[in-house]
Amino acid sequence: DTGVSQNPRHKITKRGQNVTFRCDPISEHNRLYWYRQTLGQGPEFLTYFQNEAQLEKSRLLSDRFSAERPKGSFSTLEIQRTEQGDSAMYLCASSLADREQFFGPGTRLTVL
Amino acid sequence: AQTVTQSQPEMSVQEAETVTLSCTYDTSESDYYLFWYKQPPSRQMILVIRQEAYKQQNATENRFSVNFQKAAKSFSLKISDSQLGDAAMYFCAYRSLTSGTYKYIFGTGTRLKVLA
Repeated sequence: DTGVSQNPRHKITKRGQNVTFRCDPISEHNRLYWYRQTLGQGPEFLTYFQNEAQLEKSRLLSDRFSAERPKGSFSTLEIQRTEQGDSAMYLCASSLADREQFFGPGTRLTVL
Repeated sequence: AQTVTQSQPEMSVQEAETVTLSCTYDTSESDYYLFWYKQPPSRQMILVIRQEAYKQQNATENRFSVNFQKAAKSFSLKISDSQLGDAAMYFCAYRSLTSGTYKYIFGTGTRLKVLA
């Protein structure tokens, strides 16, 4: 068990470009969560999956954001037409059913 | 909507001493979980301790313990015999057990400095 992994760890992009992040959860975990953390704040919930089904989305997840978990394993978070306000740490977490969430190291996005 | 408040942006403690981090929350629900997570610099968040709201007994994990006051909606973390490795951001988090959501609601965090 290597824990939750996220790639890339850092991403620098220009405003208006599209970016995609990947999260690999702990292998037996059926739930996967995405959070966003800005400087000086705690993580804010974006969305979560149970297996391949996306069951909840935050109002923070504008129509420029899309997340998938195609086979109930890894997940991707895509941001289209990035804006400077999208600069943040994007955290992924996973859990086995109702148990506590385990977090990955995050992807730090900088939009220039 | 539930909220979590951590009113101490930063705390310092001398090595080997005890420190208490505060957390208050607002909810109308009776069933929920509360958590403390630790986020070391440039490293991922790890769970420190968890408390189920229906349990009256305060959770403990080695040097970490909580003071859970349900009526006061208070959930403080006590770290005993502080070590240099305890230096990190600490986040308090809430998870509802009645609203059908599995998301965590986090506070803004407390940065703990441990002085040698």
